[in-house]
Amino acid sequence: KAGVTQTPRYLIKTRGQQVTLSCSPISGHRSVSWYQQTPGQGLQFLFEYFSETQRNKGNFPGRFSGRQFSNSRSEMNVSTLELGDSALYLCASSLAPGAVTEAFFGQGTRLTVV
Amino acid sequence: GENVEQHPSTLSVQEGDSAVIKCTYSDSASNYFPWYKQELGKRPQLIIDIRSNVGEKKDQRIAVTLNKTAKHFSLHITETQPEDSAVYFCAASQGGSEKLVFGKGMKLTVNP
Repeated sequence: KAGVTQTPRYLIKTRGQQVTLSCSPISGHRSVSWYQQTPGQGLQFLFEYFSETQRNKGNFPGRFSGRQFSNSRSEMNVSTLELGDSALYLCASSLAPGAVTEAFFGQGTRLTVV
Repeated sequence: GENVEQHPSTLSVQEGDSAVIKCTYSDSASNYFPWYKQELGKRPQLIIDIRSNVGEKKDQRIAVTLNKTAKHFSLHITETQPEDSAVYFCAASQGGSEKLVFGKGMKLTVNP
């Protein structure tokens, strides 16, 4: 069974640009969550999607957005990149919200903003 | 919203010793408490979890305890081995959501 797949693994972008990150959940998993990991702030929740609907959003500016497709794959987009957006972006998939089941993480996308 | 505090932030032990990591949470509605281990350059991986209807859970050398009244939970690792060296994160979430609120993590170093 394939795990959670995130692409690309590494990205270097310039301030002001935008970026789109992709996450393919484990087959059969319908819930996808995104997290930002930085040395200073640790793991911070960005958003949660289920059935193409955003169920929860963390305390991030509107430049951070996401979506989920009918096959449960998810993308997140960051517009007008800032240096402080440099981080490891992790997505996690689980069966469904409310089931309180294990969340499996992908390897992450390392974003560097220069 | 939920806030999870984790301490200590670093811990160094000798191989064979025990290690304890403590976390506190603020929202009494939280009912699921997973622990993740993250090795350098790798993804966080669940090592054990506990739900609010259980006070203690054990899996080989790892155990977790939960005190709902005091709103704290702890991870205990016995007979530590060098491969236990990693960053450990505690987290809390509420039923109905997959949103995990994480502690800041604890770097465990097990010296051979």
